[in-house]
Amino acid sequence: GAGVSQSPSNKVTEKGKDVELRCDPISGHTALYWYRQSLGQGLEFLIYFQGNSAPDKSGLPSDRFSAERTGGSVSTLTIQRTQQEDSAVYLCASSPSRQGTEAFFGQGTRLTVV
Amino acid sequence: SQQGEEDPQALSIQEGENATMNCSYKTSINNLQWYRQNSGRGLVHLILIRSNEREKHSGRLRVTLDTSKKSSSLLITASRAADTASYFCATELMYNTDKLIFGTGTRLQVFP
Repeated sequence: GAGVSQSPSNKVTEKGKDVELRCDPISGHTALYWYRQSLGQGLEFLIYFQGNSAPDKSGLPSDRFSAERTGGSVSTLTIQRTQQEDSAVYLCASSPSRQGTEAFFGQGTRLTVV
Repeated sequence: SQQGEEDPQALSIQEGENATMNCSYKTSINNLQWYRQNSGRGLVHLILIRSNEREKHSGRLRVTLDTSKKSSSLLITASRAADTASYFCATELMYNTDKLIFGTGTRLQVFP
């Protein structure tokens, strides 16, 4: 595709519900990142997929958070039993190779937990 | 915790002035990148400097890297109102799965 696509753009959910956020990376990009950004803050690393390697899950804040990347392409970030502190913009990025290349970002999903 | 810390957190200048933002990081890196973010959504890549480089230019952007001090600076010359945005440094870590870790960001406001 033309760029990294994230859906939905906005999601409002009730506390305690599960949500799934989707990321379609640029075709052929082997690396895929998920970040979380609270209002006015920096980007908090969540998880990193690189090719067929085991993902780096070291940034996931709790076991309520999980992510998959199917067939080396589309990725889904799942948040179970959402809490109000999960409210943030969730950003996905992909890059074409292992080192020394720029990351291309989607426009993010703004999650609001009420 | 964040790998990168940026200062200042916020910067306000007049059009035509230069803007300098600084980034410090903690661990060894393969490269350091600068990104720009408008309106709190997607980020756009500006420039990449490798660990064996000391300075790099791209248009009105000048980036320096001092690996002995674990710091970098981004200089925007002759700023324009359209440069108003948040700017983030990101480090590609050397020893930890080469993932990209972002700093806390500098909010730049350029007044016409």
